[in-house]
Amino acid sequence: TQLLEQSPQFLSIQEGENLTVYCNSSSVFSSLQWYRQEPGEGPVLLVTVVTGGEVKKLKRLTFQFGDARKDSSLHITAAQPGDTGLYLCAGDETGFQKLVFGTGTRLLVSP
Amino acid sequence: DADVTQTPRNRITKTGKRIMLECSQTKGHDRMYWYRQDPGLGLRLIYYSFDVKDINKGEISDGYSVSRQAQAKFSLSLESAIPNQTALYFCATSSAEGKDNQPQHFGDGTRLSIL
Repeated sequence: TQLLEQSPQFLSIQEGENLTVYCNSSSVFSSLQWYRQEPGEGPVLLVTVVTGGEVKKLKRLTFQFGDARKDSSLHITAAQPGDTGLYLCAGDETGFQKLVFGTGTRLLVSP
Repeated sequence: DADVTQTPRNRITKTGKRIMLECSQTKGHDRMYWYRQDPGLGLRLIYYSFDVKDINKGEISDGYSVSRQAQAKFSLSLESAIPNQTALYFCATSSAEGKDNQPQHFGDGTRLSIL
């Protein structure tokens, strides 16, 4: 059973546009992480959110954890070609680092 | 040098063969994981180990087995490979310090094709 649904599955935009990726679940998570994966490589952690309602910023990327800790969003401002990749959310239900990964959002940013 | 090393990077084999994928890490982490990645399904947990004497089944352990030979080594075996085990396999590690919030560190994956 897939606990984390991401939308959209695929996004193709032009450089400079803004975008938002959503990660939704019916389960409550003790923490939620966002990873980015590039072709031929493993996922790399971008951020961890822990508190309901928490907002974290990483340069042009803004991450938010839902108040009920069941969902999260990733907003990218003024996307650049270097943002291209597969974005994965991952929730920790138990608090012991046993992660459930989302289905992934593949982002393509064209110059 | 990579902190989490997976070997081989690519493997093509036939149905029924026994296959071992190996993972070694230099991060000194106690916790290690094996995932498979399929298009549209994200990463799914196969097995995980929180220390050398601890092995746990994940979401999709059927058809797989693991061995934790040392803190730094965690191998995944397919006893009799079948075509629907064709996938990208990832090993990951994480620190046991703190209850949560620890990132998982991934290898670069093994692309496995079973004919």
